[in-house]
Amino acid sequence: GAVVSQHPSRVICKSGTSVKIECRSLDFQATTMFWYRQFPKQSLMLMATSNEGSKATYEQGVEKDKFLINHASLTLSTLTVTSAHPEDSSFYICSAGPGGGGETQYFGPGTRLLVL
Amino acid sequence: QKEVEQNSGPLSVPEGAIASLNCTYSDRGSQSFFWYRQYSGKSPELIMSIYSNGDKEDGRFTAQLNKASQYVSLLIRDSQPSDSATYLCAVNNLVGYKLSFGAGTTVTVRA
Repeated sequence: GAVVSQHPSRVICKSGTSVKIECRSLDFQATTMFWYRQFPKQSLMLMATSNEGSKATYEQGVEKDKFLINHASLTLSTLTVTSAHPEDSSFYICSAGPGGGGETQYFGPGTRLLVL
Repeated sequence: QKEVEQNSGPLSVPEGAIASLNCTYSDRGSQSFFWYRQYSGKSPELIMSIYSNGDKEDGRFTAQLNKASQYVSLLIRDSQPSDSATYLCAVNNLVGYKLSFGAGTTVTVRA
């Protein structure tokens, strides 16, 4: 299957700082990528759809000014958690698919964020 | 009504048995159906995709799709302890290419 990477895999930061997470499609181009968040013992929650060259589409209840998404190239999307607080501590996972964003989605390994 | 519903579990099966996972979806326009496996602390991993009515087999896994009944299932034959994980059913109606996920069914295979 297609390979999606994320960096960093784990990050610990102080409250109030911003954290950037990268999602890369390694062997295909992706015009659309997706960002999810997962709290312990809970389901995946879609946060936003990242569109190459245009603004991201956020799901209801997700603060677009807090979770900044940039999809500047066909292989890279970034999620920046601005002014992070302890309640933002979670497992952030991106996904992408080689079919122009549709059909099969492959997940990155995830980024575990801990805000102290 | 949730878009995608899975049998709640947890499901415990003895090693070597068949694990049966069920999923129903509400959107009749759904086109693509996926099963992902998620080990604790890890991200989901695609194990099966199915697009047409009927069965699709891949090794010990068989996915079954019935669009008329809006039902998709996954059978795991000869279950192994390494199959112990949460299995997520996902449905794509190709509008915006978003996947709708079920809450997942946790499977434990007893040695």
